[in-house]
Amino acid sequence: DGGITQSPKYLFRKEGQNVTLSCEQNLNHDAMYWYRQDPGQGLRLIYYSQIVNDFQKGDIAEGYSVSREKKESFPLTVTSAQKNPTAFYLCASNSDRGNTGELFFGEGSRLTVL
Amino acid sequence: GQNIDQPTEMTATEGAIVQINCTYQTSGFNGLFWYQQHAGEAPTFLSYNVLDGLEEKGRFSSFLSRSKGYSYLLLKELQMKDSASYLCAVDPFGNAGKSTFGDGTTLTVKP
Repeated sequence: DGGITQSPKYLFRKEGQNVTLSCEQNLNHDAMYWYRQDPGQGLRLIYYSQIVNDFQKGDIAEGYSVSREKKESFPLTVTSAQKNPTAFYLCASNSDRGNTGELFFGEGSRLTVL
Repeated sequence: GQNIDQPTEMTATEGAIVQINCTYQTSGFNGLFWYQQHAGEAPTFLSYNVLDGLEEKGRFSSFLSRSKGYSYLLLKELQMKDSASYLCAVDPFGNAGKSTFGDGTTLTVKP
């Protein structure tokens, strides 16, 4: 079945460490996105990529980095520069060839900084 | 700027009808999404409204008034599994991935 796979589902990190969250999709979607969700809040866009080897900052990109070397993959690195990294991270993709361009989400990665 | 308002919490009874409102003030508007998100899970797409009016899809319907900056999601014949957070998201540029999300409405369905 086609979908988006995120890993790990749960991750614990010590302060000062970088961590990388994996996102893989087999939907043949051109565009991929990373969002952050804090308790009781909506999604905020971190980074997005509309095509391989290109990506743009979203609303809260500081302290994060991404790469898009393959169409299927869009990993997110949470760096030590991110002041408050504990959150639920969601990866999504969509296709502008779809009817509405609705987002398809992965199951999420919950990062906790100890 | 972008501003989206939804009630934080709502409670309803199994079998009843509930309406979740969303008002928005955004610098651009192409369409409005509704997503459902169960606790600890990923959001899933429910509806997308571009034109004014009501769109019905089974037990769920979504309404949009562009002139009033207002939308609502109507859930009929509520079931326990409908307990979830409902996210309103405005697509200002015709790029769904750059939508601005509201904080979500947590709906609790009681027996």
